[in-house]
Amino acid sequence: DTGVSQDPRHKITKRGQNVTFRCDPISEHNRLYWYRQTLGQGPEFLTYFQNEAQLEKSRLLSDRFSAERPKGSFSTLEIQRTEQGDSAMYLCASSLRDWPQHFGDGTRLSIL
Amino acid sequence: QKEVEQNSGPLSVPEGAIASLNCTYSDRGSQSFFWYRQYSGKSPELIMSIYSNGDKEDGRFTAQLNKASQYVSLLIRDSQPSDSATYLCAVGTEKLVFGKGMKLTVNP
Repeated sequence: DTGVSQDPRHKITKRGQNVTFRCDPISEHNRLYWYRQTLGQGPEFLTYFQNEAQLEKSRLLSDRFSAERPKGSFSTLEIQRTEQGDSAMYLCASSLRDWPQHFGDGTRLSIL
Repeated sequence: QKEVEQNSGPLSVPEGAIASLNCTYSDRGSQSFFWYRQYSGKSPELIMSIYSNGDKEDGRFTAQLNKASQYVSLLIRDSQPSDSATYLCAVGTEKLVFGKGMKLTVNP
C-alpha cells in the first residue's frame, strides 16, 4: 500500500499570509494525526481525527490554526496570519485504530 | 504534563558494536511505547513498538520495557553506518509524546 502523502513538501511564505497543507493517509487507516517538529526537538502533537471527527486538539493549536478531515479521508491544516514562530516541519501520521502511527514525509514551512 | 526524556547524546559507536539508547517517561499509566528512526531532513520511521514488560527482538533491534521503572530502551546490535540517524522515543496511544531524540553516529 502507498504511504502517507503530504503536499506540498516545502512552503515558503511571507509573514501574515495564510497557508494550507494537505495530508492523504494510508487508505484503510481511520485515524489521522498532525504534529509539528522544530530543529533539535521531537515532534509535538497538534491534533487528531478518527474518521471525520476531530477528537483532540493541543493547546499548541492556537486560534490561527484549523484542521479538517471532511468525509474521513484526506485532511487539511490551515495556518492563518503566519508568524515567524510557525516555521517548522509539519508532519502528518495515520494509523488503523490503536495500531502504531506511520508518518508522511512532512511539509517544511519557512516564514520570511 | 506528560514528559519523555532521552539521554542528551550524541552517541558515537564503531561499526559492529552495540548501540544502547535509553528513555524514561513520566506517565505511569502509559501502555504503548515506540522507537522511531529519523534521518536528517526526513520524517520519523517506525522501527519498534513494545507494549508489555520485557524484551522484544526484531532483527538487529531489541526493545526493552520496564514499566515499574518507567524506562524503555533500544539496543542495536552489529551497528552499521546506515544506522546513523536520530532515534526518537515516543510514548502514548492517540497522542504520542516524543523525547528530543538521540543522535547516533556509527563510524566505519
